[in-house]
Amino acid sequence: GESVGLHLPTLSVQEGDNSIINCAYSNSASDYFIWYKQESGKGPQFIIDIRSNMDKRQGQRVTVLLNKTVKHLSLQIAATQPGDSAVYFCAENPGDYKLSFGAGTTVTVRA
Amino acid sequence: DTAVSQTPKYLVTQMGNDKSIKCEQNLGHDTMYWYKQDSKKFLKIMFSYNNKELIINETVPNRFSPKSPDKAHLNLHINSLELGDSAVYFCASSQGGTGREAFFGQGTRLTVV
Repeated sequence: GESVGLHLPTLSVQEGDNSIINCAYSNSASDYFIWYKQESGKGPQFIIDIRSNMDKRQGQRVTVLLNKTVKHLSLQIAATQPGDSAVYFCAENPGDYKLSFGAGTTVTVRA
Repeated sequence: DTAVSQTPKYLVTQMGNDKSIKCEQNLGHDTMYWYKQDSKKFLKIMFSYNNKELIINETVPNRFSPKSPDKAHLNLHINSLELGDSAVYFCASSQGGTGREAFFGQGTRLTVV
């Protein structure tokens, strides 16, 4: 499954499929781009980040891609599991000591 | 052990009251934050503190007064509460000012009636 845009879209994905969550960022000067996961009733949890001088970074079951030309960031989740159901936020650091968050994408995993 | 803990988790209060939210982190981080999440899930920075010093005040009304007695604590006091203050408030901490790998607390759901 795949989501697009800055709105608060929802993404429904079949368990075991790959998920792609997209995000457009606004500030070319941001040094880091980060993905957070927020489960219901909890605070955001760091997933993975990427520095502006990279275009791809892989973690455990997750990959972040950065396209600075079009100011686009994506998070790919391999073999999506029920525990991946959450709201996913992209964030950037437009300056020191703060993060600017995107609107969030709600991912629902179907059994 | 909870890394970033906030109290209380829920807070229901009447308009005009004054309330405080407490935050403590045991990660040894030097930077702490307050974020506000509205009903549409938008997360917005309110304040950043580094080594007890205020670094960022993101045009927050002066009814909101953060206080950092030491590096491990950042409390938020709100005077004369308004209906529009209803939201979930998150405390977070990180090492350094990039904000990457910030650890968030569980949130305080504030409801003003």
